[in-house]
Amino acid sequence: SYELTQPPSVSVSPGQTAEITCSGDALPKQYAYWFQQKPGQAPVLVMYKDSERPSGIPERFSGSSSGTTVTLTISGVQAEDEADYYCQSADSSGTYVFGTGTKVTVL
Amino acid sequence: QITLKESGPTLVKPTQTLTLTCTFSGFSLTTSGVGVGWIRQPPGKALEWLALIFWNDERRYSPSLKSRLTITEDTSKNQVVLTMTDMDPVDTGTYYCTHTEVGGVGDYWGQGALVTVSS
Repeated sequence: SYELTQPPSVSVSPGQTAEITCSGDALPKQYAYWFQQKPGQAPVLVMYKDSERPSGIPERFSGSSSGTTVTLTISGVQAEDEADYYCQSADSSGTYVFGTGTKVTVL
Repeated sequence: QITLKESGPTLVKPTQTLTLTCTFSGFSLTTSGVGVGWIRQPPGKALEWLALIFWNDERRYSPSLKSRLTITEDTSKNQVVLTMTDMDPVDTGTYYCTHTEVGGVGDYWGQGALVTVSS
């Protein structure tokens, strides 16, 4: 089955930049989406179609794509950005899949 | 304002069938491009996509669970129902209902419903 691989954890100091990667063979042909999930809460969409930011999401969140890897970048990290982040995409048959998840810790 | 809310049993026994209802407002499932889906999350684990139904009645299922899942809609009631047969303790988790219109599986999410499978 198709898999999306993320690093288990990323640690960053306040004000610094966090980069979360997501790797998958179908990513050159399928869009990626990113979700932020804080403890006890439902996930929130923070990026869609690789690099489009939904209304209400801070400008410090950005997305990019290169080959089989997509990246969510948080510039000027704030304490409130500490959360789990999941990428999501689809395989060639249209089956959706989530990444393994990355815990972002703000030091 | 788009809202979704999941409802259903909090406890089911092994081998039973789970029926979850998503009641939504702020959009219509007859609008081109709109979909409603289900995603679950076992305690402390990652998100898992389950099923999605689109405005044109197209339905997609997770290949690993396809034999156990059925997603249906009642547009008159603004509801989408997910049934999952042969429940097992490993199916314990929070089940989320989602709205999609931007191509992914969830641009809006319900609060989630915790389902425990135990005898």
